[in-house]
Amino acid sequence: GNSVTQMEGPVTLSEEAFLTINCTYTATGYPSLFWYVQYPGEGLQLLLKATKADDKGSNKGFEATYRKETTSFHLEKGSVQVSDSAVYFCALGNTGKLIFGQGTTLQVKP
Amino acid sequence: DAGVTQSPTHLIKTRGQQVTLRCSPKSGHDTVSWYQQALGQGPQFIFQYYEEEERQRGNFPDRFSGHQFPNYSSELNVNALLLGDSALYLCASRTSGNTGELFFGEGSRLTVL
Repeated sequence: GNSVTQMEGPVTLSEEAFLTINCTYTATGYPSLFWYVQYPGEGLQLLLKATKADDKGSNKGFEATYRKETTSFHLEKGSVQVSDSAVYFCALGNTGKLIFGQGTTLQVKP
Repeated sequence: DAGVTQSPTHLIKTRGQQVTLRCSPKSGHDTVSWYQQALGQGPQFIFQYYEEEERQRGNFPDRFSGHQFPNYSSELNVNALLLGDSALYLCASRTSGNTGELFFGEGSRLTVL
C-alpha cells in the first residue's frame, strides 16, 4: 500500500542555515505530494504541493520537487528563521485521503 | 472567513464511555474528513464524508462512526473508548472538486483514562 517515510527528528539549526528534510514515498498510481506544517498550538497548514512528476512546489522560501525516479519529495529552504520552528509533515494523496509521514520537528535557534 | 472549527478543544473520558466530536467546515467546503493524530505521529485517516454519506474509510474499527449534516458540518463518534484512543482528532475540509488541499481545524484533544 501507499506509505510515506520522513527523516527522524528533531532537526536543530541555527538561523540562516540551509534546511533539508527528507521524504520518500511508496505509491501506486500518480498521487499528489504535499508538505504540511504544524506550528505550536495550531492546526496543520498546507505549505506546498506538487501534482505530477518533476513539478516543483514552493512557498515562503520552501521548495520541494516531485521526483518519480527516486520516489522522493525532499523539503528545502536556503535560510531558515526562528519563526520556521514547527513540525513538518510530508503527505501523499489523490482522492482527498492523505497519507502522512510521522513528522519532523524543526527547531531554529537565534 | 472562518476556517475549520472543532469542538470541544479538550475533553477527558474514561474507558468504555462514548464521545462525540464536532466539526464545521470552512465556508464553501462540502467534504469533511477526520484524522487521528497520536502523540509524536502523523495524522491517520479515519473516514471522509460527502453528501451526508461516508465515502472512504481508513483502517479503523466500527467503534468509530460519523455523520454529516445537510449544512456540511460533521460529527465523529467513538464508542467503548479504549486507552489507545487518546489522541488529537483533526477535522479537515475541502471542496469536492479539489482532491488536493485540505484545510484543517486545530483539533480536539481526547484523553481516555
